[in-house]
Amino acid sequence: GAVVSQHPSWVICKSGTSVKIECRSLDFQATTMFWYRQFPKQSLMLMATSNEGSKATYEQGVEKDKFLINHASLTLSTLTVTSAHPEDSSFYICSARGQVGNSPLHFGNGTRLTVT
Amino acid sequence: DAKTTQPPSMDCAEGRAANLPCNHSTISGNEYVYWYRQIHSQGPQYIIHGLKNNETNEMASLIITEDRKSSTLILPHATLRDTAVYYCIVRVGDAGNMLTFGGGTRLMVKP
Repeated sequence: GAVVSQHPSWVICKSGTSVKIECRSLDFQATTMFWYRQFPKQSLMLMATSNEGSKATYEQGVEKDKFLINHASLTLSTLTVTSAHPEDSSFYICSARGQVGNSPLHFGNGTRLTVT
Repeated sequence: DAKTTQPPSMDCAEGRAANLPCNHSTISGNEYVYWYRQIHSQGPQYIIHGLKNNETNEMASLIITEDRKSSTLILPHATLRDTAVYYCIVRVGDAGNMLTFGGGTRLMVKP
């Protein structure tokens, strides 16, 4: 149980275009999902917290107009990288947890974004 | 969340037990210890978590000291596929809280 599916697993796009990444909780409902970013040889950095039915909460330094998050249902959150630039190339990972208090966070397998 | 300290890297021989330490001396009474690992180019994988008692599952054992200021993750018979970065994270057990990742320990299992 507790499977988080992320799609696509990799994407290459041209500078200036937008890319949408989907994160789904397959066998549980997630009122909260988290989006992380990971650059090579670095640890995961939290970008934003996605709340079902309300606006996402962004970490300091993350542009909310560039990284659009939509959490339209209890099983789906999307991250759209708008007007992508080469410096946005990174590994993006989503995570979700069930609603029981200390249940662990489960992660998707990540999306490798390369902007050319 | 309490800060954790882990060695940056460790080696282990295949088939032997891998013991990964973690210090969390500022842990609070309501904070859990979680362990995750990340194999190259994949999302983190949940391993185990505990509050104060030792825990065991099909993947590993978690030993938490009585004062809760440190813990050890034990992989009883390490295989080459256990080569990964292992993260020890201390967090309040609240469904709304995110996880903060430190540097982790890069475990290399060698034949």
